[in-house]
Parts: sequence; structure tokens; C-alpha cells
Amino acid sequence: DAGVIQSPRHEVTEMGQEVTLRCKPISGHNSLFWYRQTMMRGLELLIYFNNNVPIDDSGMPEDRFSAKMPNASFSTLKIQPSEPRDSAVYFCASSGGSANTGELFFGEGSRLTVL
Amino acid sequence: GENVEQHPSTLSVQEGDSAVIKCTYSDSASNYFPWYKQELGKGPQLIIDIRSNVGEKKDQRIAVTLNKTAKHFSLHITETQPEDSAVYFCAASRPNDYKLSFGAGTTVTVRA
Repeated sequence: DAGVIQSPRHEVTEMGQEVTLRCKPISGHNSLFWYRQTMMRGLELLIYFNNNVPIDDSGMPEDRFSAKMPNASFSTLKIQPSEPRDSAVYFCASSGGSANTGELFFGEGSRLTVL
Repeated sequence: GENVEQHPSTLSVQEGDSAVIKCTYSDSASNYFPWYKQELGKGPQLIIDIRSNVGEKKDQRIAVTLNKTAKHFSLHITETQPEDSAVYFCAASRPNDYKLSFGAGTTVTVRA
């Protein structure tokens, strides 16, 4: 399996623009997570999906952030409008499946810079 | 909620020496303690985990110990090699809980 695939790997945008990050989880995994990583706050869980349904979005910073999972193989995290303080590395992770051990499989991340 | 503290924040060791990273947690109900390694430009990757029914687990040069009474757990890397240089995160979660609480991370540098 190719692992969790995220795109884009790098995104530089200007304040006020819309940003969409994409994730393809590992096939067969039924849980999907979006994390944000910054030096100041470390790894923060933004939202958790189970079987494509958002279960916990308490970590989403504010209404500018939204996430969707239209099917088992695709999820998006959208920021509109973006602000400089949104600059961070955003990770998607998946887990589950028939051999579920609780391990999270992370993608390589999307580094977002908002100018 | 769970609070996980990790020390030290940075660790520099000579190649061949051992490295030890310590974490404490606050929620006595937590029973799953994984360790993740993050290399530069990559996502975190699970390297070892331990559940509360055991006190120690070993995998080649890596070992983890757990003291449930004191609510702390540690990662031990022996015979360190340059490829061990990375950021290491400890984490904790409650039974059947999807939410992992991560420590702040330890940047390990192995000097050749």
C-alpha cells in the first residue's frame, strides 16, 4: 500500500485566500484524523472521522476551518479565509481495518504558509 | 482531559551511547502508550507501544517501560546510530478512545 497520501506537500498563499488540503487514507481504514503541527502547540487533533462521519470536531479552531469526507478514500480540510496564524504543517492520519492495533498512519503532511 | 509532559525537549548523544526520554501522564484511566518517531519532512511513525498490562517491552535497540503507579513511561534507545536522529513523541490514551494526547516532543541528535 502507498500509505496515506496528502496534497499539496507545500502551499504558499496570501491572507484571505481559500486553502484546500487533500487526503487519501489507507484502503480499508475506517478512521481518519486531521492534525495540525506547530512549534508552539505541537500536534493538535483538529477533527476525527469514523466511517466517513465526523465524530469529533472540537479541535477545529474556528468557523474558518471545515473538513469533509465524502467517501472512504478521500477527505479535505478547507480554510477560508486563511490567516498568517494558520501557517503550520497539517497531517492526515488513518487507522482501523481488520488488523486494527490502534496505530495511526500519518501522511507526509502539507506545509502551509500564509503571507 | 489527559495531559502528557515529555522531557527533555532536546537530547544530544554520542553515537553508541544510550538515549532516554521520559513522559508523565495525568489520567490514571489511560492504558495505551505509543511512541512515534518523526524524521525531517515526514509524518510521525509508530516505533513501539505499550499497554498497561505490561511493565516493559523491547524491540531490538528500543525499549519502553511503564510505571502505572507513578504515571510515567520512558523510551530507551541503546547503541544509538545517526539514523536515530529525529523528533520523538510519546502519547497516551484511554481504553477504546480514538484520541491520543501527545507530548511536546524530544529532538534527539546522535553525534558521529
